[in-house]
Amino acid sequence: AQSVTQPDIHITVSEGASLELRCNYSYGATPYLFWYVQSPGQGLQLLLKYFSGDTLVQGIKGFEAEFKRSQSSFNLRKPSVHWSDAAEYFCAVGSGYSTLTFGKGTMLLVSP
Amino acid sequence: NAGVTQTPKFQVLKTGQSMTLQCAQDMNHEYMSWYRQDPGMGLRLIHYSVGAGITDQGEVPNGYNVSRSTTEDFPLRLLSAAPSQTSVYFCASSKSTGTGTHEQYFGPGTRLTVT
Repeated sequence: AQSVTQPDIHITVSEGASLELRCNYSYGATPYLFWYVQSPGQGLQLLLKYFSGDTLVQGIKGFEAEFKRSQSSFNLRKPSVHWSDAAEYFCAVGSGYSTLTFGKGTMLLVSP
Repeated sequence: NAGVTQTPKFQVLKTGQSMTLQCAQDMNHEYMSWYRQDPGMGLRLIHYSVGAGITDQGEVPNGYNVSRSTTEDFPLRLLSAAPSQTSVYFCASSKSTGTGTHEQYFGPGTRLTVT
């Protein structure tokens, strides 16, 4: 069965500093990978997705992620964090044709 | 397009009561899913549908029923609510992009409390 691990429950980053959120997946076939962001009390917004091709994927709000098959990872990065980036981030793998398996999420706190 | 809509936004139930969470999409998507979100657990799949008349169970289906009579609608029924069903429920829809991949579009969620 597929699974997603986000090792960090909470991360605190200073505003302006770089960010990397870790995601490891387990999936038997070629994975379809996603990062979503959720602000408190809000729904989920898709940041970026990887289906195939270039392993470095650009998303919205200045985020990018790199797919590394050898490490079964899909880490999310941003070069300079803004206070508005404080939210919960979810990594997910596409399981079959219609559903996602999510990690448990990483809460990002941004300090001034 | 309104995208994926969910009603109600908030609901409080007493143990044993029944209710239906509504989900509708206007994007003509074949696939629809229901997830529940609990603190520290991420989102977990309850039920999903790959087309009208076809549904299947996800990771946490117990206590929930679904049906898909039209492409647009995918209601989630709680037959006898329990406190363990207190959660935020998200509906999602997706359509094949031709490469076998599926970007999911999420509704705004329903926050359910069972007392």
